[in-house]
Amino acid sequence: GAGVSQSPRYKVAKRGQDVALRCDPISGHVSLFWYQQALGQGPEFLTYFQNEAQLDKSGLPSDRFFAERPEGSVSTLKIQRTQQEDSAVYLCASSLVGTEFNEQFFGPGTRLTVL
Amino acid sequence: KNEVEQSPQNLTAQEGEFITINCSYSVGISALHWLQQHPGGGIVSLFMLSSGKKKHGRLIATINIQEKHSSLHITASHPRDSAVYICAATRRAGGGADGLTFGKGTHLIIQP
Repeated sequence: GAGVSQSPRYKVAKRGQDVALRCDPISGHVSLFWYQQALGQGPEFLTYFQNEAQLDKSGLPSDRFFAERPEGSVSTLKIQRTQQEDSAVYLCASSLVGTEFNEQFFGPGTRLTVL
Repeated sequence: KNEVEQSPQNLTAQEGEFITINCSYSVGISALHWLQQHPGGGIVSLFMLSSGKKKHGRLIATINIQEKHSSLHITASHPRDSAVYICAATRRAGGGADGLTFGKGTHLIIQP
C-alpha cells in the first residue's frame, strides 16, 4: 500500500499491561511523528524521528512511554504499565523530508482502551 | 489558553450552505494546516499554507499572518462533507521539522 499503516487498529489492555504499537510510514519518508488523540480532543504531539534519530520526545507524557525507529523506517511506540488515562487513539504520521514545510501523511491510528 | 483555537466547536448546516470555520493561533508559525477526520477514520491533509489563499474544488483556505488567523470555507456543502475539521500549526522551527500543534477540531454536520 502507498499510505501510512498502523497496527493493531484496536488494542484492549488491562491496566498494568505493556503494549506496543507499530507504524509503517510511507517508503522513503524521512520524518515520522507520533500523536495522541484523546476522545473528543485534537491530537497532541508525542515524539518525532528524523530517520532513526529521535530528535524530539518532549511530548511523551511519562517515562512509561518509549518510542524507537531503529532502522529509520518502521517505528514502535511502547507504553509500559498502562493506565486508564492512556486510553486514546495513537496516530502516526510521516513526511518526505525533514523540514517544517512538508505535508504530513497520517495513518488510520491505533485505538487503545485500557480497562 | 490553547495555542491554536478553533471556532465553532460544532456546526450543523443544511446542504448547499456556505460554511466557514475559523482558526486563530498565538505562536509564530511556519505553516498552517487544515485537516479532515471522518469518524473512525484517519486524518487527511486538506491544505498546508503559509500565506494567502488556496483552493481545491469546493474548499478554500485563507490565512492572514499579521492577524494570526486562518479560515476554511466550504462552498455548496454536501452531506459527505460531514467530518471533523482540524486546524494545526507548524511552529517556526528554524529549519528543522516540528510536530504539529492542533486545535480541538470543528465537528461539522451537513444535513440533506
